[in-house]
Amino acid sequence: AQSVSQHNHHVILSEAASLELGCNYSYGGTVNLFWYVQYPGQHLQLLLKYFSGDPLVKGIKGFEAEFIKSKFSFNLRKPSVQWSDTAEYFCAVPAGGSQGNLIFGKGTKLSVKP
Amino acid sequence: GAGVSQSPSNKVTEKGKDVELRCDPISGHTALYWYRQSLGQGLEFLIYFQGNSAPDKSGLPSDRFSAERTGGSVSTLTIQRTQQEDSAVYLCASSLGGRVIETQYFGPGTRLLVL
Repeated sequence: AQSVSQHNHHVILSEAASLELGCNYSYGGTVNLFWYVQYPGQHLQLLLKYFSGDPLVKGIKGFEAEFIKSKFSFNLRKPSVQWSDTAEYFCAVPAGGSQGNLIFGKGTKLSVKP
Repeated sequence: GAGVSQSPSNKVTEKGKDVELRCDPISGHTALYWYRQSLGQGLEFLIYFQGNSAPDKSGLPSDRFSAERTGGSVSTLTIQRTQQEDSAVYLCASSLGGRVIETQYFGPGTRLLVL
């Protein structure tokens, strides 16, 4: 069965530090990968997604993620975080089949100190 | 344009009562998803609608949970005889056609507390 794991539960960084959040997946079919973000008091929203082609995917607000097939990983990165990046980040994979329901990781809470 | 809306935003109920949660998807989106977000469990898929049909109900945790969608638009998630373990944030999302590659747009959620 498809699954996704996020190893960091809570990450605390100072502004301008670099960020890397881990995501590993177990998926038997075509690899589609997503990162969603939930800012405090806001809706869950898409940050970026990978379907095919260039394994380095760029998303909103300067985030990027790299799909590494050999490592079953899709880590999220940002070179320099800001206080406004404080949020919870979720990695997700499709549950399987042709429909779009997703399996989410347990999330990583990022706190950025000003 | 308008996003996904959900009501009520908060619901407190007593154990054993029934509750109804409502979701209004983005206009024109044929696919609608219900998820549940609870402490320690993360986000769990509950049910998926394509139009008014629910081809995948595999995530519903028990037969106390049911959902329907009418007119290809509004959906209602009903929990009968609520239990304390049902306390969670119930999220609704919609996408244009339900394909894997499509972005899902989430609503603000309904926070359910069962006393």
